[in-house]
Amino acid sequence: SAVISQKPSRDICQRGTSLTIQCQVDSQVTMMFWYRQQPGQSLTLIATANQGSEATYESGFVIDKFPISRPNLTFSTLTVSNMSPEDSSIYLCSVETETPGELFFGEGSRLTVL
Amino acid sequence: GESVGLHLPTLSVQEGDNSIINCAYSNSASDYFIWYKQESGKGPQFIIDIRSNMDKRQGQRVTVLLNKTVKHLSLQIAATQPGDSAVYFCAETLNQAGTALIFGKGTTLSVSS
Repeated sequence: SAVISQKPSRDICQRGTSLTIQCQVDSQVTMMFWYRQQPGQSLTLIATANQGSEATYESGFVIDKFPISRPNLTFSTLTVSNMSPEDSSIYLCSVETETPGELFFGEGSRLTVL
Repeated sequence: GESVGLHLPTLSVQEGDNSIINCAYSNSASDYFIWYKQESGKGPQFIIDIRSNMDKRQGQRVTVLLNKTVKHLSLQIAATQPGDSAVYFCAETLNQAGTALIFGKGTTLSVSS
């Protein structure tokens, strides 16, 4: 397993601003993923954070809106840019450890955009 | 009370009853499946997994059943307790390193004493 810490845990933001969410893992992991969970909904994959290269985005998500950094094997950031109320969601960092496909999740960052 | 068959967004049971939560997955090529439990204000927690070469796997008070013919997954919780109240998600993936999970719709389980 892995211990995953996300900051901030929650924030209230103004429309048009940007917010960066940090994800720190207590061990080196190859694969890190960012998910979004809109209110009352399931989890949707935003992108795979690749160490040393650009993130791989899923359909419907673009780098300009959700830039991602992955400077090393224990840390990643997700920025939600030019926020609108529709971006109000929980953003979750997850990592794959030794078992392919088995993901562990952080507690999430709950964003409310006014 | 129990629920079998189609996915239900909510399930209410009495403490001590057995619960069955259903999920239909989308990709016939998926070969690894996981059930997650998400309590309010927390991230999803791993409960149990199953690979496509199996049709049943048991854990502590939980059993997962896989029917590949109809692409159906179920989670059975024995002697349901109030602490089991949460949203339950099934997830599917290819059994390859670096392949992200695709989550199904959740089921909110409410357990009353």
